[in-house]
Amino acid sequence: AQSVTQPDIHITVSEGASLELRCNYSYGATPYLFWYVQSPGQGLQLLLKYFSGDTLVQGIKGFEAEFKRSQSSFNLRKPSVHWSDAAEYFCAVEIKGEYIFGTGTRLKVLA
Amino acid sequence: DSGVTQTPKHLITATGQRVTLRCSPRSGDLSVYWYQQSLDQGLQFLIQYYNGEERAKGNILERFSAQQFPDLHSELNLSSLELGDSALYFCASSAGPYTGELFFGEGSRLTVL
Repeated sequence: AQSVTQPDIHITVSEGASLELRCNYSYGATPYLFWYVQSPGQGLQLLLKYFSGDTLVQGIKGFEAEFKRSQSSFNLRKPSVHWSDAAEYFCAVEIKGEYIFGTGTRLKVLA
Repeated sequence: DSGVTQTPKHLITATGQRVTLRCSPRSGDLSVYWYQQSLDQGLQFLIQYYNGEERAKGNILERFSAQQFPDLHSELNLSSLELGDSALYFCASSAGPYTGELFFGEGSRLTVL
């Protein structure tokens, strides 16, 4: 069965430090790939998406993600984290019209 | 603002009761998805509608039902509520299948006492 794995449930970084959130998917072909962010009490907002082409995609709020086919991964990165980035981050894939979400990574930012 | 509207934002009710959650998708979007988010289960897909027809069903309990109306808004009906049904229920919309990202509403928080 298709699945999305986010191995880190919680991550804590200091403000200004770099960030990488991991995401792996299980599927025979390349699905559409997404990263969403959920701030407390809010809905999910799309950060970025990958459909095809350049494997390094840029998103909003200074985030980027790199698709690596050989590793079935789509890791999210940010070079310098801001306190306002504290939130929960979800990786998702779309396969034949079905969206599958990872369990999320909760990011805490230390001042 | 995603353009997806959900009402009510908060709802408190008792076990055994029935509630209806409403979702208005983004203008022009034909697909509506319902998700349940709880602390121990993460974001669980419940059901999807496309232009009024049920298209996919996920982990939706038999006590739950949904429909999408001709004006494309959708309702999720939860009946015989149990304590474990307390969760955040999200609606999301997209233009249609295979068209890319979902746009999420802010959710309806249901508390069952």
